[in-house]
Amino acid sequence: DIQMTQSPSSVSASVGDRVTITCRASQGIGNWLAWYQQKPGKAPKLLIYVASNLQSGVPSRFSGSGSGTDFTLTISSLQPEDFATYYCQQASSFPPLTFGGGTKVEIK
Amino acid sequence: EVQLVESGGGLVQPGGSLRLSCAASGFTFSSYSMKWVRQAPGGALEWVSYISGSSSTIQYADSVKGRFTISRDNAKNSLYLQMNSLRDEDTAVYFCARDYGLGGVSYGMDVWGQGTTVTVSS
Repeated sequence: DIQMTQSPSSVSASVGDRVTITCRASQGIGNWLAWYQQKPGKAPKLLIYVASNLQSGVPSRFSGSGSGTDFTLTISSLQPEDFATYYCQQASSFPPLTFGGGTKVEIK
Repeated sequence: EVQLVESGGGLVQPGGSLRLSCAASGFTFSSYSMKWVRQAPGGALEWVSYISGSSSTIQYADSVKGRFTISRDNAKNSLYLQMNSLRDEDTAVYFCARDYGLGGVSYGMDVWGQGTTVTVSS
């Protein structure tokens, strides 16, 4: 199974900050990576697919990059509605489909 | 509006059974593969099961294999998860989700239900 490791597990930031979250796969997954945002008590929301493709309706301040084993999600200017937990998910090898452990973006 | 609505969660004793349902609307249900994903309290997301649009391909996580059964009724636009021999560690919010991709390749999950809570406890 492919293990997905996110870092950091939490980050404190202020509105307007640039935030970068990293996701590392235990083996190469090409570009087959998705990012999700989840707010408390809500379902996850797809932000990015195939590493760098912005899902329809997602603000352009979100961007994804990387390939192989190392990937990043960047929020260029953090907005109040962006405080949430973010998960990466590999889509290269299935089954099983695997997620990272999550990164909580908190208010500083 | 594209929507998924889960139901069927509740409190069940260890060893018991529960059947979750997911009602789809606003899209051609039979054209999409579907997944169940769960989230233990305070925990990360965990994939549970997958079913193709025609039900020809079904997959399970090792943690539920032999205990859970996924199925769908395309005439009723509904997805199901039959959960037997439930354990404490099955306690979670269960989400149904629509597969997103092209040409049989999954990119991720683009539509999610609100989740239904399953609590396994004596």
